[in-house]
Amino acid sequence: EPEVTQTPSHQVTQMGQEVILRCVPISNHLYFYWYRQILGQKVEFLVSFYNNEISEKSEIFDDQFSVERPDGSNFTLKIRSTKLEDSAMYFCASSVQGAMTEAFFGQGTRLTVV
Amino acid sequence: RKEVEQDPGPFNVPEGATVAFNCTYSNSASQSFFWYRQDCRKEPKLLMSVYSSGNEDGRFTAQLNRASQYISLLIRDSKLSDSATYLCVVTSNTGTASKLTFGTGTRLQVTL
Repeated sequence: EPEVTQTPSHQVTQMGQEVILRCVPISNHLYFYWYRQILGQKVEFLVSFYNNEISEKSEIFDDQFSVERPDGSNFTLKIRSTKLEDSAMYFCASSVQGAMTEAFFGQGTRLTVV
Repeated sequence: RKEVEQDPGPFNVPEGATVAFNCTYSNSASQSFFWYRQDCRKEPKLLMSVYSSGNEDGRFTAQLNRASQYISLLIRDSKLSDSATYLCVVTSNTGTASKLTFGTGTRLQVTL
């Protein structure tokens, strides 16, 4: 069964460092998303991406965040200068069409900023 | 008012029990509705979509009341493996792609 894969599964980084979280969406999917979940809290939308550009972003997705689809398979989330409060589980998701159809989630990257 | 509101639980029920979860949403323009399941420290997985006519999938029944902006999930004959957090999710199209808005989830613990 096709699945969304994310690497690494766990990343520890020092405050102020840049991190790149990587995702390989399902191959025939056209819409890509990043969500985050701070421990004990709800899943929150960060950004959606379609046709090589950002479709929508939340207020969490400030200038410290960027997304890229550098080739035909990878979808990355970059955090330029990490803060302690960026510690969370980051989920990548993809869907065939917009979120009106099922979104498939990757297993997540647990980011710990120390 | 929260965009998607759920009772956080936990709901502790014995195996075989019937349990019902409720959810309300604030955005009347919401277009699609889902229940996702999330196991501890895992990714959310789609359990079922929710339609105005109501829909059933085995032991699971979902209902939507657009007038009341209310969604429900009923689990019959609970199994130990149903223990998880159940997430109420709504979407609205505000751009080319739409976003999922999650509730905080309701935790279910099924016991022997």
